[in-house]
Amino acid sequence: AAGVIQSPRHLIKEKRETATLKCYPIPRHDTVYWYQQGPGQDPQFLISFYEKMQSDKGSIPDRFSAQQFSDYHSELNMSSLELGDSALYFCASSLVAGAEAFFGQGTRLTVV
Amino acid sequence: QQQVKQSPQSLIVQKGGISIINCAYENTAFDYFPWYQQFPGKGPALLIAIRPDVSEKKEGRFTISFNKSAKQFSLHIMDSQPGDSATYFCAASYNNAGNMLTFGGGTRLMVKP
Repeated sequence: AAGVIQSPRHLIKEKRETATLKCYPIPRHDTVYWYQQGPGQDPQFLISFYEKMQSDKGSIPDRFSAQQFSDYHSELNMSSLELGDSALYFCASSLVAGAEAFFGQGTRLTVV
Repeated sequence: QQQVKQSPQSLIVQKGGISIINCAYENTAFDYFPWYQQFPGKGPALLIAIRPDVSEKKEGRFTISFNKSAKQFSLHIMDSQPGDSATYFCAASYNNAGNMLTFGGGTRLMVKP
């Protein structure tokens, strides 16, 4: 079965640079979520989209933005990167409201 | 304020034993409670989930027990195997479009052969 696909899997950026993470949800899933997971931490919710509209917002810094496109894929744009942004970034998708969320393999971002 | 509290932080169980992980939540609006299993460097994988109209749900060796009045739920892993060694997260959400999961702090389970 198709899963959530994230790219790239690994990314190394320097401080103050910009990064773009991509997420391709499971086909027909209309909801996408972004999470950030620091080392030894639980995933922290950043932002979600339902039918291409932002539906909920968590602890996402103002330096970050995201959108969901007409084909339901989503991109997380991160600017003015800081060392503390180094983390695993997960995308998850679900079919309808309140349904099970399936996670991608994540993008490991390292800011040096 | 952590809305979902998980314990223990780490757990060591002998092969064949029962692993028990507990979670407590604050927000009574939560109506969906999944458990995720995560291996190092991988994304969380949905194990089993429950809604508050059911007090117990079993899938294979995994069972969720749910106590709505106490606002607590737990995961039982029967006949624990070394391959079950992973980090387990409980989570909670409510039934609206795009609503995020609030995770517990995670439990690192080690099953000794």
